[in-house]
Amino acid sequence: EVQLVESGGGLVQPGGSLRLSCAASGFTFSSYWMNWVRQAPGKGLEWVANIKQDGREKYYVDSVKGRFTISRDNAKNSLYLQMNILRAEDTAVYYCARGNYDGSGFVFDYWGQGTLVTVSS
Amino acid sequence: DMQMTQSPSSLSASVGDRVTITCRASQSISNYLNWYQQKPGKAPKLLIYLASGLQSGVPSRFSGSGSGTDFTLTISSLQPEDLATYYCQQSYSTPSFGGGTKVAIK
Repeated sequence: EVQLVESGGGLVQPGGSLRLSCAASGFTFSSYWMNWVRQAPGKGLEWVANIKQDGREKYYVDSVKGRFTISRDNAKNSLYLQMNILRAEDTAVYYCARGNYDGSGFVFDYWGQGTLVTVSS
Repeated sequence: DMQMTQSPSSLSASVGDRVTITCRASQSISNYLNWYQQKPGKAPKLLIYLASGLQSGVPSRFSGSGSGTDFTLTISSLQPEDLATYYCQQSYSTPSFGGGTKVAIK
């Protein structure tokens, strides 16, 4: 059974940093693109970033470029999101999602339960 | 940026009704269109991939169609457990989602 379990969310002050983790199991992690998708409270879904199987290609939504870094450790079956210079508008539930069905990894076939990040003073 | 427009933003229908949700892209995306279901307090779930592919385990009452700029998600016979918000998402370029359609049961 495919499982994705996020952790690392919490309350952080504006300008602060946080590192999210996603532990994957039930599939060959190193064979898939992986993504982060977020959802602000009461709002819709927004793709944040993704990373290729070998970690050599990474893509970001414009609003987080230069502040967030996606990475992975295939030996540990884990995905990460380092978030720096956090802003109030980054407040959201952050989901880890597996990419499948096309070469870009942009079809999200499995999702974790999400971890809440709140940026507030 | 690719804009995705869903309609309606909400609807209410009776059990057994046929429900149709539409999604329009601001430019042609071929068949790179996916549909997700999000139940209250839960993570989204993939229903339809690449316009018409039924994700494993999804009931056959869900179907998708369309290509280019106009797409449709159809629920052939609405069930109580289909109460949810439905999102379209394009995977042709940097992903973007529609604003969602909230489906309520009368």
